[in-house]
Amino acid sequence: GENVEQHPSTLSVQEGDSAVIKCTYSDSASNYFPWYKQELGKRPQLIIDIRSNVGEKKDQRIAVTLNKTAKHFSLHITETQPEDSAVYFCAPTDSWGKLQFGAGTQVVVTP
Amino acid sequence: ETGVTQTPRHLVMGMTNKKSLKCEQHLGHNAMYWYKQSAKKPLELMFVYNFKEQTENNSVPSRFSPECPNSSHLFLHLHTLQPEDSALYLCASSQEGTSSEQFFGPGTRLTVL
Repeated sequence: GENVEQHPSTLSVQEGDSAVIKCTYSDSASNYFPWYKQELGKRPQLIIDIRSNVGEKKDQRIAVTLNKTAKHFSLHITETQPEDSAVYFCAPTDSWGKLQFGAGTQVVVTP
Repeated sequence: ETGVTQTPRHLVMGMTNKKSLKCEQHLGHNAMYWYKQSAKKPLELMFVYNFKEQTENNSVPSRFSPECPNSSHLFLHLHTLQPEDSALYLCASSQEGTSSEQFFGPGTRLTVL
């Protein structure tokens, strides 16, 4: 089955700095790569996703980059703000629709 | 918020009880899921239903029994649970199977005494 690793497990950044989270996967059939954000006590919500025919996607302060050859994709958050503090999950998904969530990265943005 | 509701939001049960969790989606999706989220563990996919048919069962113990009467409703029947089953149970739905965004419900916080 899919082996998903997410690094780092915790990330503390100063407000205004950038944050990068990396997700590696093993299944070469994966073709959909979403990132979910889960704030404390709330449900996970999609913040950005990318499909295998695209190398990078950006939405304001958030971006996702994909390296299919190396089998990893990364979440980039620029100009971090306190409301970016949350747990972030990657969930690589294969062409059959099978997905597995990463272990999550706890991001803490300090003012 | 996202069109997926879950009841109850909190549940405390003994190991000999039988209870059910309910999920309803108002988004017109055709796939629904049950996840278990424990402290310090990733989201664990338990069951997947596509067009009311169960397409995945990730080696979940038989004390958890899913039911999907139609594409808008999903149940998780619980019986003779163990304390280690205490967790947040999240329901989600999506369109086109799982190769698309999943919309999560608020979850049911389950405590097994």
